[in-house]
Amino acid sequence: SQKIEQNSEALNIQEGKTATLTCNYTNYSPAYLQWYRQDPGRGPVFLLLIRENEKEKRKERLKVTFDTTLKQSLFHITASQPADSATYLCALDMIYNQGGKLIFGQGTELSVKP
Amino acid sequence: EPEVTQTPSHQVTQMGQEVILRCVPISNHLYFYWYRQILGQKVEFLVSFYNNEISEKSEIFDDQFSVERPDGSNFTLKIRSTKLEDSAMYFCASSVRGGYGYTFGSGTRLTVV
Repeated sequence: SQKIEQNSEALNIQEGKTATLTCNYTNYSPAYLQWYRQDPGRGPVFLLLIRENEKEKRKERLKVTFDTTLKQSLFHITASQPADSATYLCALDMIYNQGGKLIFGQGTELSVKP
Repeated sequence: EPEVTQTPSHQVTQMGQEVILRCVPISNHLYFYWYRQILGQKVEFLVSFYNNEISEKSEIFDDQFSVERPDGSNFTLKIRSTKLEDSAMYFCASSVRGGYGYTFGSGTRLTVV
């Protein structure tokens, strides 16, 4: 069966440390993988996208890796801040007819303590 | 920064009533989507829309659901006869095309009583 799974437990880290979130999937072949941030009661906010032929992507304090053999993506936030506290969603981007269809994981709740 | 705007932010409706959720996507985006999130669950794809027609839909998007782009700016989701299980947060999103980041709206919280 098809599955997409993120860290099952909430992640609590100290300010200044690196947060690492995991996304694993089975029986999908996404062309892209995307990461979103979601705050309570709000819509997802796009953070980063990585293509199937890319190994790593960076944007400021964020880094994403994508291993299509392991079917896994890692999302890192370096020098974390309390303002980074949110739920982070992994999404597989299934391309259809030039449009897209995102298949979301259940999210990992990150809490950064001062 | 351009935004996707959704109205209303909250809607309470009686079971069996019709509801229309409204969205204004980003003006230069070509692809429009509806997603929903039942409380405590994953964000789920409902439908994608391009060039005035549905390009993809999920099993959730049955005959009770329809989408429309009635003019050059609005994009609507209609639920014909609401059920209790339709209670959820509904998100509109738009993108330039697949393979680019999506911009989501803040959502409409639909409560069916």
